[in-house]
Amino acid sequence: GESVGLHLPTLSVQEGDNSIINCAYSNSASDYFIWYKQESGKGPQFIIDIRSNMDKRQGQRVTVLLNKTVKHLSLQIAATQPGDSAVYFCAENRNQGGKLIFGQGTELSVKP
Amino acid sequence: NAGVTQTPKFRVLKTGQSMTLLCAQDMNHEYMYWYRQDPGMGLRLIHYSVGEGTTAKGEVPDGYNVSRLKKQNFLLGLESAAPSQTSVYFCASSSRTSSSYEQYFGPGTRLTVT
Repeated sequence: GESVGLHLPTLSVQEGDNSIINCAYSNSASDYFIWYKQESGKGPQFIIDIRSNMDKRQGQRVTVLLNKTVKHLSLQIAATQPGDSAVYFCAENRNQGGKLIFGQGTELSVKP
Repeated sequence: NAGVTQTPKFRVLKTGQSMTLLCAQDMNHEYMYWYRQDPGMGLRLIHYSVGEGTTAKGEVPDGYNVSRLKKQNFLLGLESAAPSQTSVYFCASSSRTSSSYEQYFGPGTRLTVT
């Protein structure tokens, strides 16, 4: 069935290294993608988004890459810090108003 | 701005009891959503609203009802709670006129049904 899913449920990186979190989607009609960060006991917080007419978008220490050919989305975090430890979700909009479809999430653990 | 607030933060119910979760937003957003989040899973949409007085079913609506009598408030009701409804519930809101589909989330309500 159609879904937004993640390749890895957990990711452990060393402080200072770069992190890459991956996400696959199956609906070619999706035109908008967004990444959220969720810290323990809190609600999801917006990180970065990208529209389907773009391949790459950069923020502060974060970059989102979109490969529409293989329906793949990735979030890159540069110089990962302990404060980056959280669960990261990707979500897509399938041209259904404001609704977002969320993936399962990847737990990022940063080792000092 | 307080953003999106949810009350209560925690609640324990017995099977068959009812309760209402309140979500409030002060950003004048048209769209509001209720999600549930179970361990190891993403967010699943229960119900949503595209404006005052309108509601629609999401992915997992059974056992829940909602109302949007005021633009700033979105209520989620459980008429007869079941253990399967033990979860963390998140409310979110978004703007219809924004160029982005970003949703702003509340801090969540942790509900346990025994």
